[in-house]
Amino acid sequence: SQELEQSPQSLIVQEGKNLTINCTSSKTLYGLYWYKQKYGEGLIFLMMLQKGGEEKSHEKITAKLDEKKQQSSLHITASQPSHAGIYLCGADSSGGDADGLTFGKGTHLIIQP
Amino acid sequence: EAGVTQSPTHLIKTRGQQATLRCSPISGHTSVYWYQQALGLGLQFLLWYDEGEERNRGNFPPRFSGRQFPNYSSELNVNALELEDSALYLCASSLLGASGDTQYFGPGTRLTVL
Repeated sequence: SQELEQSPQSLIVQEGKNLTINCTSSKTLYGLYWYKQKYGEGLIFLMMLQKGGEEKSHEKITAKLDEKKQQSSLHITASQPSHAGIYLCGADSSGGDADGLTFGKGTHLIIQP
Repeated sequence: EAGVTQSPTHLIKTRGQQATLRCSPISGHTSVYWYQQALGLGLQFLLWYDEGEERNRGNFPPRFSGRQFPNYSSELNVNALELEDSALYLCASSLLGASGDTQYFGPGTRLTVL
């Protein structure tokens, strides 16, 4: 079965600083999703990457997919308190029907004022 | 447009009882997914329903079951509750149930088994 490893597990960043979260898959990626979760709440969809080399941005968050390395990175520029939360990467490994996504264990992001 | 809704928000049961959790997908979405997020285990796929049929299930025992109604809403039933079933249960919906189709999540139901 597919496994997703996220790094780091937790991150404390001073407000205004940049940061990067990585997600590495043990198998071929057919679709890579990034979600954000406030503790104990539902997941908020951030973006989805499908093609190798694809890069997407939304406000100050940019995600990239390296198909060869089976890896994705999420980069936040000029972090703000609103960026705090748990970031989860999820992968669709089926290549066909949308089976359930496999998720990494998450990266806990704390923004220090 | 309303997002995915789940009820109840919190549910407290005792060991051996049954729990029923409900989910309403985004209007127009036909696929519903259930996930379990237990402390220390991360988010794990439970069940996938599409067009009223169970399409796939994760590595969970048969006492986890559910169904999807004609209006595409869904119910998750957990029988013979065990302490380790305590978790946040998340429902997600997608438009087509195809690979690459984004899953949108609800706020979750917190199940506590005493």
